Amino acid sequence: NAGVTQTPKFQVLKTGQSMTLQCAQDMNHEYMSWYRQDPGMGLRLIHYSVGAGITDQGEVPNGYNVSRSTTEDFPLRLLSAAPSQTSVYFCASSRLESGELFFGEGSRLTVL
Amino acid sequence: SQQGEEDPQALSIQEGENATMNCSYKTSINNLQWYRQNSGRGLVHLILIRSNEREKHSGRLRVTLDTSKKSSSLLITASRAADTASYFCATPLYNAGNMLTFGGGTRLMVKP
Repeated sequence: NAGVTQTPKFQVLKTGQSMTLQCAQDMNHEYMSWYRQDPGMGLRLIHYSVGAGITDQGEVPNGYNVSRSTTEDFPLRLLSAAPSQTSVYFCASSRLESGELFFGEGSRLTVL
Repeated sequence: SQQGEEDPQALSIQEGENATMNCSYKTSINNLQWYRQNSGRGLVHLILIRSNEREKHSGRLRVTLDTSKKSSSLLITASRAADTASYFCATPLYNAGNMLTFGGGTRLMVKP
């Protein structure tokens, strides 16, 4: 049982480049979400999904797109990377009935 | 904006001592959660306390919740070097399903 799997673990981009952070969960959780973690800021919610085909914006959605075509996958897209998007990104999933979040190991992104 | 704020931001103790971390939040909640993050890793759920509970235990962890003061505390008894990590409190985001908002965390160092 892998839980929540994120790829890649590390990525360096140049300003203006695009990329996709992948997230997959094998627990059949309804909810999935993306957070970013910056020093001293805790975690901030970017986007989330309550089920396949349904997504919504979180606290800091600008510059990011998401889609949820299957229950298992929830990719996060950066269309035109900016230095302000340098951060550690965490994907999480949870069951509808439970508030407990299960986190991936994180993806560290540097935008030059 | 962040709902929860942890205090202190950093704490250094000797192995065997107790560690207490506090969390304050701003709006009414139906539950509060604590998470742990080892350096370079994802967050791991520790405990969830509901608004109708005043105290909850899990192994060496004791969590209290005072809804009148909008505060919670996490006590780790008989600390071990392996408890060295950052600890975050989290509360539900308004109108966002199971999504959570996190505080900035308390960095705990337990010296052998």
